[in-house]
Amino acid sequence: NAGVMQNPRHLVRRRGQEARLRCSPMKGHSHVYWYRQLPEEGLKFMVYLQKENIIDESGMPKERFSAEFPKEGPSILRIQQVVRGDSAAYFCASSPPVGAQETQYFGPGTRLLVL
Amino acid sequence: AQSVSQHNHHVILSEAASLELGCNYSYGGTVNLFWYVQYPGQHLQLLLKYFSGDPLVKGIKGFEAEFIKSKFSFNLRKPSVQWSDTAEYFCAVRGSGTYKYIFGTGTRLKVLA
Repeated sequence: NAGVMQNPRHLVRRRGQEARLRCSPMKGHSHVYWYRQLPEEGLKFMVYLQKENIIDESGMPKERFSAEFPKEGPSILRIQQVVRGDSAAYFCASSPPVGAQETQYFGPGTRLLVL
Repeated sequence: AQSVSQHNHHVILSEAASLELGCNYSYGGTVNLFWYVQYPGQHLQLLLKYFSGDPLVKGIKGFEAEFIKSKFSFNLRKPSVQWSDTAEYFCAVRGSGTYKYIFGTGTRLKVLA
């Protein structure tokens, strides 16, 4: 049973370029979450998606960041016109439908470096 | 404000030493609590979780944690660490029935052989 998959694992971009991060949830999981970890900080919630729906994007920066989880294919976190401050590790997690005992399972992360 | 504090950022122990990592949280209402571990180069793995019931929770690899509601704490313990426990440990809280995890900044544990 494959876990949460993320690719690429490492991504280098120059300022102004676009970054696309992909997340494939665990089999049977229909809920995806994105977190960002800045250096020396804990993971910070960004967005929560179900298939074709954004449920909560309260942690997303207002500009340049977007996320989707299409009916087919992985969830995508897209960062347009990257800046140095976007350098971080981006973690995706997935879960089955939310319930009292539901737990999120994390992927290995994508480490984004903006030059 | 909702937050999680992990006071020890770096811990160095010798093998067979006992471990206790502190975790305190600030959150109004009923909470679920988690400890995750991230081994070098790997993804976060769930060590243990508390939802309700017995406040002493046992997890994988000999770890346990105790929820002390009056102290808003959920400290992680292991009586005898091994070199393979070298990793970063994250405490997390979420409101019961919600989905938004709040993470601490992590504690990097290094165990010397």
